[in-house]
Amino acid sequence: DAEITQSPRHKITETGRQVTLACHQTWNHNNMFWYRQDLGHGLRLIHYSYGVQDTNKGEVSDGYSVSRSNTEDLPLTLESAASSQTSVYFCASSNSNQPQHFGDGTRLSIL
Amino acid sequence: DQQVKQNSPSLSVQEGRISILNCDYTNSMFDYFLWYKKYPAEGPTFLISISSIKDKNEDGRFTVFLNKSAKHLSLHIVPSQPGDSAVYFCAAKTSGTYKYIFGTGTRLKVLA
Repeated sequence: DAEITQSPRHKITETGRQVTLACHQTWNHNNMFWYRQDLGHGLRLIHYSYGVQDTNKGEVSDGYSVSRSNTEDLPLTLESAASSQTSVYFCASSNSNQPQHFGDGTRLSIL
Repeated sequence: DQQVKQNSPSLSVQEGRISILNCDYTNSMFDYFLWYKKYPAEGPTFLISISSIKDKNEDGRFTVFLNKSAKHLSLHIVPSQPGDSAVYFCAAKTSGTYKYIFGTGTRLKVLA
């Protein structure tokens, strides 16, 4: 069965460190998205990609970057982790107008 | 500025009764709407959708209503079951894009 996998599921790191969260999908979807979920804010879009070599900023992109070198993967990098980036991160994928399929999330704590 | 709003953070309903979850939006260009359900420690899962050309869509116990003039969306669950206890997100997008704007979520608790 096709799926979307996020790793790690939990991570604790220190401020100032670089952190990369992995997202891998086997749906062969063109579109991939990264969100963060925070209390009172719901799901907010960080970055998204509509295909290989395509990346776009979402509404809360400061401090984050992504790259899309193949269809399956969209890693999310925090260049210099800040305590404000402690959150639960979700990756999603979709094709054209179809609903997005989500991974199970990465809980990131920055101390 | 929150374009998609779910003004009720939580809702409790007795098993067997109707659950009504509400969602308001401000952008009249939104043309497609989704509802997602989310259990703890899992990702959101797609529940039901509606296009702006319709005012109602049904799927089993779940019905979504769209009132474009009021910019209001609602999800009805009948009858509610304890397994429906979850956080529900509404989401909307405009044509020409594949990215959705999500609401803040409503936590539904169905009491047995």
